[in-house]
Amino acid sequence: GAGVSQSPSNKVTEKGKDVELRCDPISGHTALYWYRQSLGQGLEFLIYFQGNSAPDKSGLPSDRFSAERTGGSVSTLTIQRTQQEDSAVYLCASRGGSGNTIYFGEGSWLTVV
Amino acid sequence: GQNIDQPTEMTATEGAIVQINCTYQTSGFNGLFWYQQHAGEAPTFLSYNVLDGLEEKGRFSSFLSRSKGYSYLLLKELQMKDSASYLCAVRDGDYKLSFGAGTTVTVRA
Repeated sequence: GAGVSQSPSNKVTEKGKDVELRCDPISGHTALYWYRQSLGQGLEFLIYFQGNSAPDKSGLPSDRFSAERTGGSVSTLTIQRTQQEDSAVYLCASRGGSGNTIYFGEGSWLTVV
Repeated sequence: GQNIDQPTEMTATEGAIVQINCTYQTSGFNGLFWYQQHAGEAPTFLSYNVLDGLEEKGRFSSFLSRSKGYSYLLLKELQMKDSASYLCAVRDGDYKLSFGAGTTVTVRA
């Protein structure tokens, strides 16, 4: 697509439920990032995928968080047993092979009640 | 890890100039980025510096001093639409970008 596409744009869920957030990167981009942005905070790195290499999962805050990228394109971030502190904007970004610029999606706004 | 500091808020008048400073500490510097983020929207790329000096792009310029761990973003001829959050980000190694908390710039008429 023309830009990074994320869905859902907004999600309200009950504490303890699982949620899945989807990211469709720019066509042809091999690198994909997930970041989290809490209110008034900077972007927090979660996970990075590059082609067929093993992902860098060092930013995932707990084992309730997981992500996968199927076929080197679409990625899904899953949060199990959601907690109120998981409420944030989850931003996906992608980058082309030799480029420096990372392009962000509009984000998925997650509210855990 | 990264330590990236930038002011929380700045206010300026339409038509004026504002300079947003960013200091950082990193073990493997490989470029500094500035992003603009309007409320409720995605961050959008503004500039990239990897060598010392000034990069100019229209009304926006970005400066880098690697020895001082310092960068600034200069916004000239401010317009109301420039009211946004400006994010300083440092790349450590090949790919990981670490962000500062952002500077909220308010442009007043």
